[in-house]
Amino acid sequence: GAVVSQHPSRVICKSGTSVKIECRSLDFQATTMFWYRQFPKQSLMLMATSNEGSKATYEQGVEKDKFLINHASLTLSTLTVTSAHPEDSSFYICSARDQKNVWDTADTQYFGPGTRLTVL
Amino acid sequence: DQQVKQNSPSLSVQEGRISILNCDYTNSMFDYFLWYKKYPAEGPTFLISISSIKDKNEDGRFTVFLNKSAKHLSLHIVPSQPGDSAVYFCAASRTYKYIFGTGTRLKVLA
Repeated sequence: GAVVSQHPSRVICKSGTSVKIECRSLDFQATTMFWYRQFPKQSLMLMATSNEGSKATYEQGVEKDKFLINHASLTLSTLTVTSAHPEDSSFYICSARDQKNVWDTADTQYFGPGTRLTVL
Repeated sequence: DQQVKQNSPSLSVQEGRISILNCDYTNSMFDYFLWYKKYPAEGPTFLISISSIKDKNEDGRFTVFLNKSAKHLSLHIVPSQPGDSAVYFCAASRTYKYIFGTGTRLKVLA
């Protein structure tokens, strides 16, 4: 159980184009999903928190117009990197919160396999 | 300001011996701690967690210890196996947002 998928696993695009990454919780409903970014040999940095049916909450320093997040259903969140540039090249990972109780903050996030974005 | 630190970037251990990975945090408001294992170009895999009301949690070969007064947690893997070789991240949470440490690369030598 608690499987999270991500698609695509790898994408190469030209500078200026937009790229959409999908994150799905396969066997549980996730009211909250998270998007992280990891640079080589560095930690995972939280970009934004995606809540089903409402606007995403972005971390300080993350451009909300550059990284569009949509959480249209309890099992799907999408991250769109708009007008991508080479500095956006990174490993993007989503996670979904397997929440047993709506008031329970002691829950576990399950991560997708990640998406390697390369912007030429 | 790095709220969660893993001061050892790498660790090598012989197969069958104990691996001890350490993690320090600065924010006493964190109430949930987790360890994840990660291979290159893959997402992290959940290993074990501990609530701040406990000081130990065990799951098979993995045990996590929490010392709240020292703001320190550790992951013990016994016995270590070559398949345990990966990067291990600790994470601390307060109201479900995770702060990750910088990771420790564990190499288990056969």
